[in-house]
Amino acid sequence: SAVISQKPSRDICQRGTSLTIQCQVDSQVTMMFWYRQQPGQSLTLIATANQGSEATYESGFVIDKFPISRPNLTFSTLTVSNMSPEDSSIYLCSVVRGWGYEQYFGPGTRLTVT
Amino acid sequence: AQTVTQSQPEMSVQEAETVTLSCTYDTSESDYYLFWYKQPPSRQMILVIRQEAYKQQNATENRFSVNFQKAAKSFSLKISDSQLGDAAMYFCAYRSAASGTYKYIFGTGTRLKVLA
Repeated sequence: SAVISQKPSRDICQRGTSLTIQCQVDSQVTMMFWYRQQPGQSLTLIATANQGSEATYESGFVIDKFPISRPNLTFSTLTVSNMSPEDSSIYLCSVVRGWGYEQYFGPGTRLTVT
Repeated sequence: AQTVTQSQPEMSVQEAETVTLSCTYDTSESDYYLFWYKQPPSRQMILVIRQEAYKQQNATENRFSVNFQKAAKSFSLKISDSQLGDAAMYFCAYRSAASGTYKYIFGTGTRLKVLA
């Protein structure tokens, strides 16, 4: 498995502002991902965070709205830009270690936009 | 495209009893992985059990077991001797075994309530 931390655990933000969420893993991982989970819903993949290069975004998600960085093999950030109430969600980081096929999830960040 | 369907939005079980959560999926691939994740109110997603499609034997982890029916594309989770701590959202997930593929497809989830 993997020990994954996320900061902040929760935040309340005003519309039009931006929030950066951090994901830290206890050791090097192969892949890192960012998911969004809207209230009462399932998980939707936002993007794959690529180490040293631009993230790979899923349909419906764009870099200007969700810029992602991954400067090394244990750390990534997701920024939610120019927030609106529709961005109120739980944002989850997940990782794959080595050549495994299991994903392990961080504790999530609960974001409320007012 | 692959899809995962969980047709039971909510289930209830009496403590110490057994409950089965349903999951069906659609895929044209022959090699893939299936998972059940648990998300308690604390929201940490926890891997409960996994199944490789090439294995005929159903996976088991303590009180958790699956009934994997490849031809029927069915992957149900059985929880035996239910405990209050089992109360959570349960998500079924699919992942292709194709090289370079890491994307999970999640179902919509089943909320399990455990009654004392």
